[in-house]
Amino acid sequence: GQNIDQPTEMTATEGAIVQINCTYQTSGFNGLFWYQQHAGEAPTFLSYNVLDGLEEKGRFSSFLSRSKGYSYLLLKELQMKDSASYLCAVRDSNYQLIWGAGTKLIIKP
Amino acid sequence: KAGVTQTPRYLIKTRGQQVTLSCSPISGHRSVSWYQQTPGQGLQFLFEYFSETQRNKGNFPGRFSGRQFSNSRSEMNVSTLELGDSALYLCASSLTGTGRTNTQYFGPGTRLTVL
Repeated sequence: GQNIDQPTEMTATEGAIVQINCTYQTSGFNGLFWYQQHAGEAPTFLSYNVLDGLEEKGRFSSFLSRSKGYSYLLLKELQMKDSASYLCAVRDSNYQLIWGAGTKLIIKP
Repeated sequence: KAGVTQTPRYLIKTRGQQVTLSCSPISGHRSVSWYQQTPGQGLQFLFEYFSETQRNKGNFPGRFSGRQFSNSRSEMNVSTLELGDSALYLCASSLTGTGRTNTQYFGPGTRLTVL
């Protein structure tokens, strides 16, 4: 079966750096997405990786290793507004998105 | 450009009833996907429509159905509602194709409560 694993919950301090990991086992691979979802709101797109390496976008970076079935989302200079759930999703060979259960990130002052 | 819109935003029904939810994608987007989200379960894929045809389907019972119109607007229907159908139903649209053009953009969701 297809599976995506993420930690259920993480806690970090305002101003610090946090890395949220995602490992996947899917039928084929056509890209990996990260989304942010604040409580009670819809997910919003953060990043997309299809080639190995690091994609940087402001305070957020996303890394992909296809050979290891592994990705991480790196958040720098954490702000209180970064408290949210972070969802990892992989597009498989049928171009269907397979979603992880999400990582709830709690930021403490 | 307007985002994805969903109506209604909130809905309360009783067991056994049926419900229809509506989704209008971003202008120019031809693919619409539907998801169910419950606490602790993450996003569960219901189905995807592209050019009025169901392209992919998740593992939900036949009580869940959908359709897409020629203007790409989509509806999903749940018949014979059960208590377990209480959830946030999210619609997402994408241009479709490969790579970044297939990024999904979500609507605000419809929160369904079944009593």
